[in-house]
Amino acid sequence: DTGVSQDPRHKITKRGQNVTFRCDPISEHNRLYWYRQTLGQGPEFLTYFQNEAQLEKSRLLSDRFSAERPKGSFSTLEIQRTEQGDSAMYLCASSFEGHFYGYTFGSGTRLTVV
Amino acid sequence: DAKTTQPPSMDCAEGRAANLPCNHSTISGNEYVYWYRQIHSQGPQYIIHGLKNNETNEMASLIITEDRKSSTLILPHATLRDTAVYYCIASSTGNQFYFGTGTSLTVIP
Repeated sequence: DTGVSQDPRHKITKRGQNVTFRCDPISEHNRLYWYRQTLGQGPEFLTYFQNEAQLEKSRLLSDRFSAERPKGSFSTLEIQRTEQGDSAMYLCASSFEGHFYGYTFGSGTRLTVV
Repeated sequence: DAKTTQPPSMDCAEGRAANLPCNHSTISGNEYVYWYRQIHSQGPQYIIHGLKNNETNEMASLIITEDRKSSTLILPHATLRDTAVYYCIASSTGNQFYFGTGTSLTVIP
């Protein structure tokens, strides 16, 4: 197992376009998280899944954002009608249920909206 | 979850112990203290966590005061590769973390 994989690593898109990111968690992990990080700030929580169920969503996740985790394996995060303010690093993490193992993060997808 | 306060930056000489403080004066009894670090252009990396007792693993030690209002992460022999931003987080559920801006640690040769 190579850890949490995110694809693509970098994405440049024009304002108004839709983009989709993929995250493949560690296979045994049943929880999957999405965070967003802008320059100089720590990661901010967006949403998390336990298996295929989306259990929590931040108010940061506007209606232009949608996340799915079909079959409880990989997840996708889609941003519709991108805006310049969406430019950020989008981080995915996975964990076992419960406190005791911490998260394992991927290396992120850097989105630039021009 | 309780808010944590960390100094924005610290320096440490290579080979010396790095002691990173964190204040969490409003922490509640069921909140754990987690530490993560983030090296430039990478995702955050889990370091250690604890509830009441001091903890040690291969990366670091976590010292939590008896009243649980503050903690210290100790890197016993800092190397240049430990240069990173270190985040202290208090969480009762582990479902979502508030990272804040962390402490930028620079290890100096």
